Amino acid sequence: AQRVTQPEKLLSVFKGAPVELKCNYSYSGSPELFWYVQYSRQRLQLLLRHISRESIKGFTADLNKGETSFHLKKPFAQEEDSAMYYCALHGATDSWGKFQFGAGTQVVVTP
Amino acid sequence: NAGVTQTPKFRILKIGQSMTLQCAQDMNHNYMYWYRQDPGMGLKLIYYSVGAGITDKGEVPNGYNVSRSTTEDFPLRLELAAPSQTSVYFCASRITGGAGELFFGEGSRLTVL
Repeated sequence: AQRVTQPEKLLSVFKGAPVELKCNYSYSGSPELFWYVQYSRQRLQLLLRHISRESIKGFTADLNKGETSFHLKKPFAQEEDSAMYYCALHGATDSWGKFQFGAGTQVVVTP
Repeated sequence: NAGVTQTPKFRILKIGQSMTLQCAQDMNHNYMYWYRQDPGMGLKLIYYSVGAGITDKGEVPNGYNVSRSTTEDFPLRLELAAPSQTSVYFCASRITGGAGELFFGEGSRLTVL
């Protein structure tokens, strides 16, 4: 069974400080990992996916298969980063396209 | 393009009442999903569909029903509403194949009293 764990429900950081959101997963095959973000009064939207290996809004995430992790990092947090962040997993062998979401981490960036 | 549209945005139901949450997408996506979002629990998959006429249960299907008569529409029916169904409901869609991006609706906040 696939599972996604986000151990922190709330992260409070100061503006300009680094922020790291943890995501650990369990999946027996090759996973595809994503980070979705929900800003206040907006719909959930894709932030980044591991296969793209890109930086979006200063965020990066590296898939570590040895540690089964996909932590989201940003070196200097901004107030506009305050949002709810969800880590999601899609099993490569899952042809039905089901995604497993973590419980989410609320990030609050204070000035 | 409107993307994924959900209605209503808010609804209060009495225990035992029934209702339908509407979801429509105009992106010609084959895959559609219904999630519920409970505080501290993340998103749980209720039902999903891989195309018109094809639906299947997710993690938490009890108390819900779906239908998919067209590619565009994927309504979620709540029969005999219970307080445990108080939640925020999200409809999402994605294009067929691979782990394509999920596109979400704005959500429907349902309260059962």
